Amino acid sequence: QSVLTQPPSVSGAPGQRVTISCTGSSSNIGAGYAVHWYQQLPGTAPKLLIYVNTNRPSGVPDRFSGSKSGTSASLAITGLQAEDEADYYCQSYDSSLSASVFGIGTKVTVL
Amino acid sequence: EVQLVESGGGLVQPGGSLRISCAASGFTVSNTYMSWVRQAPGKGLEWVSVIYSGGNTYYADSVKGRFTISRHNSKNTLYLQMNSLRADDTAVYYCARRSPSSGWPDVAFDIWGQGTMVAVSS
Repeated sequence: QSVLTQPPSVSGAPGQRVTISCTGSSSNIGAGYAVHWYQQLPGTAPKLLIYVNTNRPSGVPDRFSGSKSGTSASLAITGLQAEDEADYYCQSYDSSLSASVFGIGTKVTVL
Repeated sequence: EVQLVESGGGLVQPGGSLRISCAASGFTVSNTYMSWVRQAPGKGLEWVSVIYSGGNTYYADSVKGRFTISRHNSKNTLYLQMNSLRADDTAVYYCARRSPSSGWPDVAFDIWGQGTMVAVSS
């Protein structure tokens, strides 16, 4: 059971836009802590996709975007491609746990 | 090239011990915040431990008192000593570096190793 809630799965056709929500509480996202997003392709290590709510590391396509409001954050993927099929995790810090925390992960399926 | 390479995983009996390593290249481990993150088979990511550049260490409640994070500065290597291992410690263990572009304590991890599998079973 994670303190950050994500939908287990989302799907979309190629070219469509999908969003993944990450809902926290007043001890993590709502407290102002940054949210980061990772992409994990099957059998590989996680890759940083979005850092500090909205920023993309060099090399990450601008099809990926992040936002944050209140106790929630979202990752949007526009122009969905087959190569985007992966697990996506949000991450923040929880002051009650004094620890970094991850969401349970969302599997994105390209139909 | 900035890189992390884990090693030392394997099969261990319940109650046993194991030390896994994470060799860094392209940057200095002792100058930054390094963490261990694990992933049980078919499950999500779980933060395990951190060592700050100043040497302070912190642990998830699930491993506190059993695991110890450390580093060897001249070898530029991070370690995780795991004692009193249990079946629910079975996971791929990743080492990860704090992104210099993120804040504190809400750090992001920009460099990850390939992971090393630890299986606890009799």
